[in-house]
Amino acid sequence: DVKVTQSSRYLVKRTGEKVFLECVQDMDHENMFWYRQDPGLGLRLIYFSYDVKMKEKGDIPEGYSVSREKKERFSLILESASTNQTSMYLCASRDSGTAYDSNQPQHFGDGTRLSIL
Amino acid sequence: GNSVTQMEGPVTLSEEAFLTINCTYTATGYPSLFWYVQYPGEGLQLLLKATKADDKGSNKGFEATYRKETTSFHLEKGSVQVSDSAVYFCALSALGTYKYIFGTGTRLKVLA
Repeated sequence: DVKVTQSSRYLVKRTGEKVFLECVQDMDHENMFWYRQDPGLGLRLIYFSYDVKMKEKGDIPEGYSVSREKKERFSLILESASTNQTSMYLCASRDSGTAYDSNQPQHFGDGTRLSIL
Repeated sequence: GNSVTQMEGPVTLSEEAFLTINCTYTATGYPSLFWYVQYPGEGLQLLLKATKADDKGSNKGFEATYRKETTSFHLEKGSVQVSDSAVYFCALSALGTYKYIFGTGTRLKVLA
């Protein structure tokens, strides 16, 4: 089974801090994704990476950056945390090297519930 | 652009009742369609998928049929259990893009 592991289940930080959320997958997947989940808004894509060192902005990238130095690890960075970034953050990975393998599902971690005080 | 619309919840049912959660989509071409389930405190798990018109995905007693003529992928289960209480997400993946489009989720509560 695919295992996607997010480093923290719960995290509390203060406004202005630089925050790192880590995600590791064990199935050699090329594609990795970061979402945030808010009530009534579903999942919104922040950033994705289709291969090592490659990244693209999703729908809501403002205030975030990402890093993918190794294939198995995809980090989400909040450059200067703000209270409106309090949310559930979900990481996912997918086994596909191209955008033309649309039938591959995404596999999710258990999420990190981040609170910014 | 691509989009997914699913029925708003919460949906509250008694145990052994029949379940339908509606999902319709807008997409160019022939997307792949998915249902995911999220149990409390967990991430999303793939429940079932269908990759072409008239395909039926099924898993754990849940079924959904890819209907291109009505652009729908409704989730059904003949007899729900308390353990099915969760949030269900419909999603699509379109050719030529890495991005998945998720619906807003439908919360299901099953009462004993």
